[in-house]
Amino acid sequence: AQSVTQPDIHITVSEGASLELRCNYSYGATPYLFWYVQSPGQGLQLLLKYFSGDTLVQGIKGFEAEFKRSQSSFNLRKPSVHWSDAAEYFCAVGVYNQGGKLIFGQGTELSVKP
Amino acid sequence: ETGVTQSPTHLIKTRGQQVTLRCSSQSGHNTVSWYQQALGQGPQFIFQYYREEENGRGNFPPRFSGLQFPNYSSELNVNALELDDSALYLCASSLGGTMNTEAFFGQGTRLTVV
Repeated sequence: AQSVTQPDIHITVSEGASLELRCNYSYGATPYLFWYVQSPGQGLQLLLKYFSGDTLVQGIKGFEAEFKRSQSSFNLRKPSVHWSDAAEYFCAVGVYNQGGKLIFGQGTELSVKP
Repeated sequence: ETGVTQSPTHLIKTRGQQVTLRCSSQSGHNTVSWYQQALGQGPQFIFQYYREEENGRGNFPPRFSGLQFPNYSSELNVNALELDDSALYLCASSLGGTMNTEAFFGQGTRLTVV
């Protein structure tokens, strides 16, 4: 069965420090992978996506993610975190033989301290 | 902004009642997916509509039903509301029929069942 695991429920980093959010997936074929960000009480905004090709993908707001097939991982990174990055981050895998549904992880809440 | 609008933004209902949530998809998109996000959890796929027909369903009981209209807007109906139905309901629109598609989410409807 397809699944997504985000091992870290909550992470706190200092402003200006680097960030890495972990995501592991279970999927039988080449996955379509996504990272979304959600501010409190809001919908989801797409940060970046991986469909194929270069395994290092760039997204909005200075985020990037690297697809590692051997580790079934798609970790999100940012070299220097800003206070406005504080939010909930969700990793998701797209299941396109089931109507294109997204399977989300439980999310990682990011806090940024000054 | 994604161009996906949901109404209402907040709703309070009594257990046993019925509710209808609405979603207007982004211009040019023919696919709408609905997700339920309980507090502290990742979104869970309810179902998807593609060109007015259900095109995939998650693990939700039949009292969760939907419609998609010729203009590709959509409704989510929930009958016999239970306390556990309290959640943020998210609608996402996409261009179906292609593998390389991404979903754009609305701001959600916060449903509280008392």
